[in-house]
Amino acid sequence: EVQLVESGGGLVKPGGSLRLSCAASGFNFSSYSMNWVRQAPGKGLEWVSCISGGSSYMYYADSVKGRFTISRDNAKNSLYLQMNSLRAEDTAVYYCARDRITMIPYYMDVWGKGTTVTVSS
Amino acid sequence: DIQVTQSPSTLSASVGDRVTITCRASQSISSWLAWYQQKPGKAPNLLIYKASSLESGVPSRFSGSGSGTEFTLTISSLQPDDFATYYCQQYHGYPWTFGQGTKLQIK
Repeated sequence: EVQLVESGGGLVKPGGSLRLSCAASGFNFSSYSMNWVRQAPGKGLEWVSCISGGSSYMYYADSVKGRFTISRDNAKNSLYLQMNSLRAEDTAVYYCARDRITMIPYYMDVWGKGTTVTVSS
Repeated sequence: DIQVTQSPSTLSASVGDRVTITCRASQSISSWLAWYQQKPGKAPNLLIYKASSLESGVPSRFSGSGSGTEFTLTISSLQPDDFATYYCQQYHGYPWTFGQGTKLQIK
């Protein structure tokens, strides 16, 4: 069974840092590009970042560029999101999502349950 | 960036109704549009990809259409399990963008 499990969320002060993790299982992780998508309380979905299977390319939303870094460890089947200089507006549930790679362009087909990040003093 | 505008933001309907949700892109995105369903406290679930392709396991009462800049999601006969929030998302180019969402509620 394909599964994505996020962890690492919590309460952090403005200006602080947090590292999210996403553990993948049930598929050949290194072959798939992966994403982070977030959802602020009571709001819609916002795509945050994407990384290719071999880490050769990464993309970011303007709202997080320069503050967040996406990375992965294919040996550990894990995806990460390093979040620095956190702001109140980064408060959200963060989901990791897999790209379906059977056709180009890719799109997100499997999502984890999410981890909650709260930025507050 | 490609803007995606979804309407309506809220839709009230009854079981058995046929409903349509519209999504408009600020530029042509060919057919690179997906639709997701999200229930409270849950992750989004893929319904439709490539504008009109039904994801495996999704009931056939869901259908998508459109290309270029205008797209629709139609539910042919609403079931109790369908009351949820629906999002469209373009994947023509980064940054990927979502519509604002349509909350489908019971009339």
